Amino acid sequence: DSGVTQTPKHLITATGQRVTLRCSPRSGDLSVYWYQQSLDQGLQFLIHYYNGEERAKGNILERFSAQQFPDLHSELNLSSLELGDSALYFCASSVADQNTEAFFGQGTRLTVV
Amino acid sequence: GQQLNQSPQSMFIQEGEDVSMNCTSSSIFNTWLWYKQDPGEGPVLLIALYKAGELTSNGRLTAQFGITRKDSFLNISASIPSDVGIYFCAGPTTSGTYKYIFGTGTRLKVLA
Repeated sequence: DSGVTQTPKHLITATGQRVTLRCSPRSGDLSVYWYQQSLDQGLQFLIHYYNGEERAKGNILERFSAQQFPDLHSELNLSSLELGDSALYFCASSVADQNTEAFFGQGTRLTVV
Repeated sequence: GQQLNQSPQSMFIQEGEDVSMNCTSSSIFNTWLWYKQDPGEGPVLLIALYKAGELTSNGRLTAQFGITRKDSFLNISASIPSDVGIYFCAGPTTSGTYKYIFGTGTRLKVLA
């Protein structure tokens, strides 16, 4: 158990809908990272928050947004969902914002039908 | 932007054999991390490297931070069936906006 909690584990929704994925980082970690992993693909970096502030963006679609709350949990919002958004979404956390080890949650499997 | 390329892409080996894989970048990294991912699970951190030339072991796993800082290597000795999975290298980028990126992965299959 990495200490990073993601909910829900599975999500099935229809095209055009909006969903929210939630991540609770390890106790004491200030950084949260979000990744997307499509079937049999690598992990694509989406966005990084540190202590409530956005630090970096990857190839995140405009339909996607995220935030980190004062209690350090984070949410990834996906809207106007398309079939191609079906993927595993992972959250990771680390203590600092640079050059530190990141620990991953179990992921949320999103299926868009 | 910076990218991490891993080789081989996949490999089949016999149980008991040693395994070697590597990760390369066109630009330097200050930290290299190796993760293993089982199907449908989150990546699990295996080894972290912070210094050029560093050699670090974790049980049957040994990883090295390349002297040029543009590559890293992971070796698994005496492979067992539970070593099956995808191995990723990762690291924080050193140019442009700081990002924590992953390599393309090496898929390992162990034949009993």
